[in-house]
Amino acid sequence: EPEVTQTPSHQVTQMGQEVILRCVPISNHLYFYWYRQILGQKVEFLVSFYNNEISEKSEIFDDQFSVERPDGSNFTLKIRSTKLEDSAMYFCASLTGQETQYFGPGTRLLVL
Amino acid sequence: EDQVTQSPEALRLQEGESSSLNCSYTVSGLRGLFWYRQDPGKGPEFLFTLYSAGEEKEKERLKATLTKKESFLHITAPKPEDSATYLCAVHNAGNMLTFGGGTRLMVKP
Repeated sequence: EPEVTQTPSHQVTQMGQEVILRCVPISNHLYFYWYRQILGQKVEFLVSFYNNEISEKSEIFDDQFSVERPDGSNFTLKIRSTKLEDSAMYFCASLTGQETQYFGPGTRLLVL
Repeated sequence: EDQVTQSPEALRLQEGESSSLNCSYTVSGLRGLFWYRQDPGKGPEFLFTLYSAGEEKEKERLKATLTKKESFLHITAPKPEDSATYLCAVHNAGNMLTFGGGTRLMVKP
């Protein structure tokens, strides 16, 4: 069964460093998403992406964040200058025609 | 602003003891209500989508129902492997999911 994959599974970085989180969505899906989940808190929407552009973003998704689909398979989230409060699980999701979002296993980001 | 509230926050059951989880929501233009299962350190795993009041979906020991204000996830004769956090989310007129805080279910043998 097709699934969303994410790399790396864990990332430790120093405050102020740039990180890139990678996702391979399910191949025939057209909408892609990033969500995050701070430990013990709700899953929060960050951004949605369709047809090579951002279709919607939350207040969390400020100028420090960017997304890109550099080729036909990868979807990336970049955080330019990480802060302590960026420590969280980051989930990628992709959307079927039936409006069901399927999630990847997540990347655990720890900012020291 | 869309809101999703789940109760209880945590639920302990004995194996075989049936119960229900609640998801109350307020949303402008509901396009779907979703139930996901999340194991520790993992991504949400899709369970059900419900689109309109009165709709029901079943899968093994789980049954999801929907009214205009809330959804229930009924668990019949649960087993220890059903232990997980169950997440409810709504898809509104926008293009994103709004999640509740989840119910952490623990089933003891």
